Amino acid sequence: ILNVEQSPQSLHVQEGDSTNFTCSFPSSNFYALHWYRWETAKSPEALFVMTLNGDEKKKGRISATLNTKEGYSYLYIKGSQPEDSATYLCAFQNNNDMRFGAGTRLTVKP
Amino acid sequence: DSGVTQTPKHLITATGQRVTLRCSPRSGDLSVYWYQQSLDQGLQFLIQYYNGEERAKGNILERFSAQQFPDLHSELNLSSLELGDSALYFCASSVSGQRADTQYFGPGTRLTVL
Repeated sequence: ILNVEQSPQSLHVQEGDSTNFTCSFPSSNFYALHWYRWETAKSPEALFVMTLNGDEKKKGRISATLNTKEGYSYLYIKGSQPEDSATYLCAFQNNNDMRFGAGTRLTVKP
Repeated sequence: DSGVTQTPKHLITATGQRVTLRCSPRSGDLSVYWYQQSLDQGLQFLIQYYNGEERAKGNILERFSAQQFPDLHSELNLSSLELGDSALYFCASSVSGQRADTQYFGPGTRLTVL
C-alpha cells in the first residue's frame, strides 16, 4: 500500500513567520518526490521534483529536503507572506504509480 | 497559465452515459497524465501516455480509457457513468517520459453526474 502522509493537515501562521511541513512516504521502490502548490480554484503548480537521497531544492523563500532512506521530505517557507496561502501537496512516485498526500493547507494572516 | 488546455471546462451528464474529456499538452511536451480529484479521495493518478504509448497506469477503472493521438493531444473516455464519478479531472504534461519530470497541470474539467 502506497500511503503518503502529510502533516500538519492545516496551519495558520502570521505574516513573517517561517514554517515547515512534512511528507512521509514508503521508503521502498522510490523514484521521485514531487511538491506542488495548489491555490483554491486553480490547478496544482509544480514546486520541486527530487530524486536523490539528500536532495535539497530552493525556489525563492521556499525550500525542500529529501530523505529517501527514512521516507520523508520537508518543505520550508521562510518569512511567510499572505500570497503563500495555499494547499501544499506532495506526491510519491515509484516505477508505475504516483500517490498524493492529502495536503497541508497553509493560511498566512497579514 | 501552464500552457496545458482542457475541454470542456464543465460537463453535466446523467448516470449510464459516456463522455470524452480532451487535453492538449504544452507545446513540445510528449507525455500526458490524467488525474481525478474527488471530494473523498483526494488527487489520484489515473494513467500516463508518452508519445502515443501507455507508460504507466494508476488507479483507473475499467470503465475509463484513454489514448494519445499522433498530434499528442489526449482524450479520457468515461463510460457507464456513476454518481461517484463526479469529480474534477486534471490533465498534466511533461517534456519527456521521465518519471521525475516536472508536470504542468491544466485547468481541469469538472464532471457532474446526475
